[in-house]
Amino acid sequence: AQSVTQLDSHVSVSEGTPVLLRCNYSSSYSPSLFWYVQHPNKGLQLLLKYTSAATLVKGINGFEAEFKKSETSFHLTKPSAHMSDAAEYFCVVSLATSGTYKYIFGTGTRLKVLA
Amino acid sequence: DSGVTQTPKHLITATGQRVTLRCSPRSGDLSVYWYQQSLDQGLQFLIQYYNGEERAKGNILERFSAQQFPDLHSELNLSSLELGDSALYFCASSVGLAGADTQYFGPGTRLTVL
Repeated sequence: AQSVTQLDSHVSVSEGTPVLLRCNYSSSYSPSLFWYVQHPNKGLQLLLKYTSAATLVKGINGFEAEFKKSETSFHLTKPSAHMSDAAEYFCVVSLATSGTYKYIFGTGTRLKVLA
Repeated sequence: DSGVTQTPKHLITATGQRVTLRCSPRSGDLSVYWYQQSLDQGLQFLIQYYNGEERAKGNILERFSAQQFPDLHSELNLSSLELGDSALYFCASSVGLAGADTQYFGPGTRLTVL
């Protein structure tokens, strides 16, 4: 069975410091993995995705994530946090099921950025 | 703007009532997905349609149903509403059925059941 675990429900960082949001997955094969961001009262926006090409994936707004098969991890990072990064972040694994795929969402990590 | 539109943005109704949520996918996308987001359950996949046919079901209650029309827009029908159905309902669309296909999310419909 495939699943995804976000290890921190809340993360607080100071503006200008690095961001690390952790995600581990379990899968019987090499999965497609995604990070989405949800700002308050908004829909979900794709930050980046991994689809078995390069293991280091660059996304929008300076975010990147590294796929590490040996650690079954897909952590999201950003070198320098900005106030506008405050939001909820979801790690997603794409699950194969009966001729199609569906998303399995992690429980989310709420990022707080302190001035 | 993802290109996915949802109406209405907000819906307030009473227990026992029935409502219909509407979604228009991005131009060219054949797959439509419905999700429910609540504080206690998080983001839950409800159902997927591809080119008018149901392809996958998630945690969708029997009181809920959906369909995708020939013009590819989709509707989610919620009936015999209960207080616990209050949530944010998202629609998403993707090009096809591949695991690597990105799902693009609409802004959501916030349903409040009183």
